[in-house]
Amino acid sequence: QKEVEQDPGPLSVPEGAIVSLNCTYSNSAFQYFMWYRQYSRKGPELLMYTYSSGNKEDGRFTAQVDKSSKYISLFIRDSQPSDSATYLCAMSGGSNYKLTFGKGTLLTVNP
Amino acid sequence: KAGVTQTPRYLIKTRGQQVTLSCSPISGHRSVSWYQQTPGQGLQFLFEYFSETQRNKGNFPGRFSGRQFSNSRSEMNVSTLELGDSALYLCASSPGGLPPAYNEQFFGPGTRLTVL
Repeated sequence: QKEVEQDPGPLSVPEGAIVSLNCTYSNSAFQYFMWYRQYSRKGPELLMYTYSSGNKEDGRFTAQVDKSSKYISLFIRDSQPSDSATYLCAMSGGSNYKLTFGKGTLLTVNP
Repeated sequence: KAGVTQTPRYLIKTRGQQVTLSCSPISGHRSVSWYQQTPGQGLQFLFEYFSETQRNKGNFPGRFSGRQFSNSRSEMNVSTLELGDSALYLCASSPGGLPPAYNEQFFGPGTRLTVL
C-alpha cells in the first residue's frame, strides 16, 4: 500500500461547479498536510497548508483534514477555467522530514 | 524577487551518459530540495541541501547525487543514465532553518530530461 493515494482523474467540471479533491494516507505520523497546484509546464505552487485535523479556508479554497480517517480534501468553490491544473496533495510528519506527494489529480474547468 | 531558476529546461541524453542539472534558489533561501516527477511514480523526493550539507535523502540509487555551493546554488548529477531516468526534475527552495516539509517550498519550472 502506498503511503499516499490520490485519484489521478481526470476530472472535468463546468465553470462555477464545486470541486472536491481527495487523498488518503496510511502513515499515522503525518501531521502536516499541503495542497499544491501545478499548471502545465510549470513547477508546483503551494495552495494550502494545514497542521493536524480541521478545516482551513482561503478565498474559494477550503482544505479539510480528518486524521481519524486518514483522509484529506480540497474544495474549490465557484470553479474557474483558470483553476484547470493538476492538484497534488503532500504530507509530512514524524521523524522523516521529507514531503510525500500524491500522484496528482488533473482538473479541467470548462467555460 | 526572482523565482527559482533551473537550467537547462530541456535535455536529451543517451543511456550510459551522465548529466548535471543546475538550480538557483530564491535570493536568501538556504535550503534546496530536488524532486523527480514521472507519470507513473508522481513527485518523489531525491535530496535536500542546507548550508552546503545534505540534510535529508530519499530512496534513490547512488547514481543520483547533488551538491550545494556557498551561494546556495545547487547542482544535481545523474551518472550512467538509464531509460527510466527520463523525467521532470524539479528544484525547490525554502528559507531554511526548518526542513522543507515544515516550510513553504517554492518550485522552479523543472528540467525535462529525456534518455534515449
